[in-house]
Amino acid sequence: DVKVTQSSRYLVKRTGEKVFLECVQDMDHENMFWYRQDPGLGLRLIYFSYDVKMKEKGDIPEGYSVSREKKERFSLILESASTNQTSMYLCASSFPAGQRNRYNSPLHFGNGTRLTVT
Amino acid sequence: GQNIDQPTEMTATEGAIVQINCTYQTSGFNGLFWYQQHAGEAPTFLSYNVLDGLEEKGRFSSFLSRSKGYSYLLLKELQMKDSASYLCAVRDENGGGSQGNLIFGKGTKLSVKP
Repeated sequence: DVKVTQSSRYLVKRTGEKVFLECVQDMDHENMFWYRQDPGLGLRLIYFSYDVKMKEKGDIPEGYSVSREKKERFSLILESASTNQTSMYLCASSFPAGQRNRYNSPLHFGNGTRLTVT
Repeated sequence: GQNIDQPTEMTATEGAIVQINCTYQTSGFNGLFWYQQHAGEAPTFLSYNVLDGLEEKGRFSSFLSRSKGYSYLLLKELQMKDSASYLCAVRDENGGGSQGNLIFGKGTKLSVKP
């Protein structure tokens, strides 16, 4: 079974703090993703990475950055946390779309980090 | 642009059948996924369609019509544990989908009552 592990389940931080959310996957997936999930807005993509040291902006990258130094680890960084970044953050991983025998390439999600910024 | 629509909430009775619809608009469609998400938990993969037709997996089936930009998830013999949110997601080649990114609908919250 694919395992995607997020370092914290619940996190409370203060406005202006630098926040690191860590995600590790054990299936040798090339792709990794960070989404946030908010009531009424659904899942929105922040950043994704399709290879080590590669990153691409998603739909809402403002206020965030990412780091992918190793294939199994993808970190989300809030440079200066703000109250509007209070949310559920979900990490996911997958094989690349179209890879032989992996054409459906579903995303596998971690359990999420509920971040509260006060 | 991309747009995915699904009903916000549905209610059904234990033992019944329920159909959750999803309509989408994308420029480079390359597959549609359904996920189940219980409250407070991660979404889990249910099904995948890329060609027209019905895919059956036990009590769950998913249908796709690419010409209509339409899919549905059919749940049979509903059980209380099926109470969850169901997320429709589309892979769009023009939205990072060539690398595997998915665009999600806002989800349908299904409540199963005794």
